[in-house]
Parts: sequence; structure tokens; C-alpha cells
Amino acid sequence: ELKVEQNPLFLSMQEGKNYTIYCNYSTTSDRLYWYRQDPGKSLESLFVLLSNGAVKQEGRLMASLDTKARLSTLHITAAVHDLSATYFCAVGPTGNQFYFGTGTSLTVIP
Amino acid sequence: NAGVTQTPKFRILKIGQSMTLQCTQDMNHNYMYWYRQDPGMGLKLIYYSVGAGITDKGEVPNGYNVSRSTTEDFPLRLELAAPSQTSVYFCASRYPGQANTEAFFGQGTRLTVV
Repeated sequence: ELKVEQNPLFLSMQEGKNYTIYCNYSTTSDRLYWYRQDPGKSLESLFVLLSNGAVKQEGRLMASLDTKARLSTLHITAAVHDLSATYFCAVGPTGNQFYFGTGTSLTVIP
Repeated sequence: NAGVTQTPKFRILKIGQSMTLQCTQDMNHNYMYWYRQDPGMGLKLIYYSVGAGITDKGEVPNGYNVSRSTTEDFPLRLELAAPSQTSVYFCASRYPGQANTEAFFGQGTRLTVV
């Protein structure tokens, strides 16, 4: 059974601080996705990582992928309130299916 | 460009009733998915389809059925609704090319079974 684990599950951080969310998965996959979900809303694609060593950055968020370690990270730099949301990673080992992590609920405190 | 459209947005069902959740996409995507999201949890794959006429089970298919007669539409049918099916249901689609492999999600259907 494929497992996708994120930690932490809940993260409360002050504005201006840095933090990293981790996504571990249990099977071989060279594709990993990060999504954001605001409360009561749908999922919005943030990053698509398609190879080992891939790194992508958008604003204060940077995602990376280490396929050998089966690990992806989402790094938050100088957090602002607008980043408060739930962040999901998803793995697509076969190319057909997406398996989602449990999500990390981020709250940025002024 | 509407993207992925789900109807209805909200629905309350009584135990034992049936209903169909509609999903349509106008991006000519081959792949379509149905997920459920329980409160405070991640998304679990119910069924998916890689093209018209082809469907397959995901992680939690029991109590659901799907069909895919066209590229655009991928309805999800609930037979004999149970309280355990209370959830938010998301439909998604994607085109499985190398450069565009992300999935696009609909706005969700919030279902309550009472």
C-alpha cells in the first residue's frame, strides 16, 4: 500500500519566519505535486516536480524533490498571513493515479 | 474556459437514497478522477478514468459507481447512501503529457447523508 506522509500536520508560525514542510512517500515515483487548499475551497496547483533534484520557486515558496530519498520539501521563506492554508503533496507513481498526503494546515500569525 | 465543473455544490441525502454527482471538463483531458475528502483529512481516490469507456477503481471504491461515455463527462453514482459517505467530493482532470501533468480540480460537492 502506497503511503504519502506529511509533517507536520499542523503548523503555526509567526510572520517573517521560515519553515519547511516535509513529504515522504513509500514507493518509487519521479513525479510529485504540491497543492494549496483554502478553507472551503478547491485545490490549486502550486508546483509540479518531474525529476530527481528538481527545484521550483514561486514567491515565498520553494519546492524540491529527492526521488532517491523519496522526499519532497516545501520551504516557506518570511511567511506572511496570505500563506495560511492547507498544503498537500501528491505522488503519481504510475502516471495514472495521484495519491495525496494527509495535508499540512499552516497558520501564519501576525 | 470553464475548466472542471461539478454539480451540485451541496446536497443532503437520506440514508438509502441514490444520486449522481456530475462532473464535466472542457479541456479535452483524457484522465479524470473522483476523490473524497473527509473533514481535516487528505484526499482519497474513489475511481479514475484514462479515457472514454475506460474506468478503474481507486483506494475507496465501495458504494460508488462511475461511467465514462464521453471525454468531457465523468459522473459518480452513489447507490444506497450511507452516513459514511458524508464528505466533500472533488472531480479532477489532467492531460498526461510530460509538460502538463498537473491535475485541475473542480469546486467540489459537499454531500451530507442523514
